[in-house]
Amino acid sequence: NAGVTQTPKFQVLKTGQSMTLQCAQDMNHEYMSWYRQDPGMGLRLIHYSVGAGITDQGEVPNGYNVSRSTTEDFPLRLLSAAPSQTSVYFCASSYSFGPSGETQYFGPGTRLLVL
Amino acid sequence: KQEVTQIPAALSVPEGENLVLNCSFTDSAIYNLQWFRQDPGKGLTSLLLIQSSQREQTSGRLNASLDKSSGRSTLYIAASQPGDSATYLCAACLIEYGNKLVFGAGTILRVKS
Repeated sequence: NAGVTQTPKFQVLKTGQSMTLQCAQDMNHEYMSWYRQDPGMGLRLIHYSVGAGITDQGEVPNGYNVSRSTTEDFPLRLLSAAPSQTSVYFCASSYSFGPSGETQYFGPGTRLLVL
Repeated sequence: KQEVTQIPAALSVPEGENLVLNCSFTDSAIYNLQWFRQDPGKGLTSLLLIQSSQREQTSGRLNASLDKSSGRSTLYIAASQPGDSATYLCAACLIEYGNKLVFGAGTILRVKS
């Protein structure tokens, strides 16, 4: 298994540009999520999905969209990039969700710089 | 609102020393407590997961404990090695947002050879 993969590894955008951060997992995981990691603020949940076709907002969803057309893929779209979105973005997945509290597996991250 | 705190923020020890990393959380309504390792410029690697009904979990030289009543978890690393140098993050898994993880700021560990 490749686990959780993310592309690109690094991206530079200009303010106002849009882009999609890709995330894929080959473990048939039901639950997928996106976090951003900022110095001094730790990791914060952006969006999550509990299965194909089902997505919902996390703590800091503004400026981001997600979709889940397949079990494997969970792309994160930046609609109009702002300098405040400069961050490291991590995708995570787990086999299930709820009281079972499964281990969550993280991708290697995408480092985004918005100028 | 759940808050997770890790102490110390940084720790430097000589190789071979046993060490303890501390994690505290404000709300005991958690599914589980997870410990992760993060190397510079890399993603997070899961080390141990303790379910809310459990007291401890062990994996090799690592042992994690959980005391929900006091809102505390510890990660014990035995016989530390330079390869253990990394940032260690604890995360409380909440009921909301599916399985949202609330992370501490991490402890930066350096093991000197």
